[in-house]
Amino acid sequence: GAVVSQHPSWVICKSGTSVKIECRSLDFQATTMFWYRQFPKQSLMLMATSNEGSKATYEQGVEKDKFLINHASLTLSTLTVTSAHPEDSSFYICSARAQGANPLYEQYFGPGTRLTVT
Amino acid sequence: KNEVEQSPQNLTAQEGEFITINCSYSVGISALHWLQQHPGGGIVSLFMLSSGKKKHGRLIATINIQEKHSSLHITASHPRDSAVYICAVYPIYGGATNKLIFGTGTLLAVQP
Repeated sequence: GAVVSQHPSWVICKSGTSVKIECRSLDFQATTMFWYRQFPKQSLMLMATSNEGSKATYEQGVEKDKFLINHASLTLSTLTVTSAHPEDSSFYICSARAQGANPLYEQYFGPGTRLTVT
Repeated sequence: KNEVEQSPQNLTAQEGEFITINCSYSVGISALHWLQQHPGGGIVSLFMLSSGKKKHGRLIATINIQEKHSSLHITASHPRDSAVYICAVYPIYGGATNKLIFGTGTLLAVQP
């Protein structure tokens, strides 16, 4: 089956620093990747939709200058949390949709990255 | 009211019991996902279905499009089934940029 990886699986950083999270589709090409965040005991919240070679589409209320998304290749999307603050501590999950996916709506989820900002 | 509702929110079962988790939604959909998330863990997609019934091992998922309802069944439950189970739907109105709408999840604890 299709595999999506994330790196790192967990990261601790100091307030004010930036952190980059990678999302890779290992055995398929992903034209679209989705970035979610999840707070404890809550469901996933979509942050942005990333299409290869174009700018990401951010959901309402998500600061695009704070959460930089780059989808430079068909197998890699990155999320950079800039000037991280403790309130950015969360579980970040990506998912990927395969190029030419049939059905169009099939998504594969990554294992998530736990970010802790101290 | 959420567009995707799950019940129950919490469920405790004894090992070996048959478990049912329900999902009701209020929008027209293209498909529905059942997802599993272990504590502190990532998301695993269990099923994606748009009609009928699917079975994988001890897991069975059914969907009734007319009634806007889906169920996830676990037969012969085991403590390792303890996890949060999330129902997520692809609304028809999303078109090619279909974004999932998530339920709030059902926390299942299976006791030995």
